[in-house]
Amino acid sequence: QVTLRESGPALVKPTQTLTLTCTFSGFSLSTSGMCVSWIRQPPGKALEWLALIDWDDDKYYSTSLKTRLTISKDTSKNQVVLTMTNMDPVDTATYYCARTLYSSGWYWFDPWGQGTLVTVSS
Amino acid sequence: DIQLTQSPSFLSASVGDRVTITCRASQGISSYLAWYQQKPGKAPKLLIYAASTLQSGVPSRFSGSGSGTEFTLTISSLQPEDFATYYCQQLNSYRYFGPGTKVDIK
Repeated sequence: QVTLRESGPALVKPTQTLTLTCTFSGFSLSTSGMCVSWIRQPPGKALEWLALIDWDDDKYYSTSLKTRLTISKDTSKNQVVLTMTNMDPVDTATYYCARTLYSSGWYWFDPWGQGTLVTVSS
Repeated sequence: DIQLTQSPSFLSASVGDRVTITCRASQGISSYLAWYQQKPGKAPKLLIYAASTLQSGVPSRFSGSGSGTEFTLTISSLQPEDFATYYCQQLNSYRYFGPGTKVDIK
């Protein structure tokens, strides 16, 4: 059974750096085709993809946020970490990690973690 | 960049209704489309990939169709547990989700 769980602070202040950890089980991020993505969802709004790291340690970022994001993995710990710098109240959202499967040019997200709500406020 | 739009953005329906949601791509994407269901307060769940293939465990009242630029998600007989928001996703890019369609109780 594949599971993912996000962890990190529930509250950060503006200008601070957010660090979120995704701890997963049931698959290995060193297996070809396996990736992990971070996706966020502001309250009442749509999903926004943020970053992806793949089995080969290639990293991909949202064009609009790439200067603020860093994604990394620790394969031995089954963890993926996302850092987002210079947090702003507009970054208030539920942050999800999701296993991202790659095959023949296709990417799909399955399953997702339960999500963690991050509020940015002074 | 390919844009995904969904219509309607909101629909109100009753249990037992047949419901159809449309996802349109700004360029042809063959059958590279997935659908996700998100219930309130929960994470999204993969329902359909490759436009029409049901993910394991998804009830058969859900179906998907389409190719190119227009795709549909159909729920043949809406059940109480189907009230949720549905998102489409372009499969040949991890970057893009549709804006969502919320299915509410009439």
